Amino acid sequence: EDQVTQSPEALRLQEGESSSLNCSYTVSGLRGLFWYRQDPGKGPEFLFTLYSAGEEKEKERLKATLTKKESFLHITAPKPEDSATYLCAVQAGTGNQFYFGTGTSLTVIP
Amino acid sequence: NAGVTQTPKFRILKIGQSMTLQCTQDMNHNYMYWYRQDPGMGLKLIYYSVGAGITDKGEVPNGYNVSRSTTEDFPLRLELAAPSQTSVYFCASSSSRASYFGPGTRLTVT
Repeated sequence: EDQVTQSPEALRLQEGESSSLNCSYTVSGLRGLFWYRQDPGKGPEFLFTLYSAGEEKEKERLKATLTKKESFLHITAPKPEDSATYLCAVQAGTGNQFYFGTGTSLTVIP
Repeated sequence: NAGVTQTPKFRILKIGQSMTLQCTQDMNHNYMYWYRQDPGMGLKLIYYSVGAGITDKGEVPNGYNVSRSTTEDFPLRLELAAPSQTSVYFCASSSSRASYFGPGTRLTVT
């Protein structure tokens, strides 16, 4: 069965303390891995799509990387406004579905 | 540019009542999805559509129905509401590169 696992479930960082979030997956025929940010009471907001191992994408303080078995979302010098839940999802095989992890809740303390 | 819109934002239903959650997108995407999000459980796919007139079941379709008569609209119908359907419902549309989510409908069944 295809699975997407995110770790840690929750992460508290001091402002400026860099760290990484992990998304591991066990799917056949990965077509894309997606990162989203979700603020409380809102829908997920698209951040990145990665398609193949070795690919990297950056946006402000966020950098997403992809290997054959996992993806990392690196947060450099985070600010309190980076506090949110970060979700990853994969699209695999010939299907049209996205499979989501349960997310990492990030809190950045001033 | 509205993206994905959902109505209503909140709703309280009594057990056994029915309702339709509305979803509209203005990005001309063929793919549309309905998810439910429960605390700690991540996003679960209810139904999806790959184009007007074509729908298919996701992971948790029981108790729901959908239709797709136009590219823009993808309503979700709840028949005979049950407490287990208390959740936050998100509609999404996607291109090949990302999914875009609506703001969600918070449904309580009592």
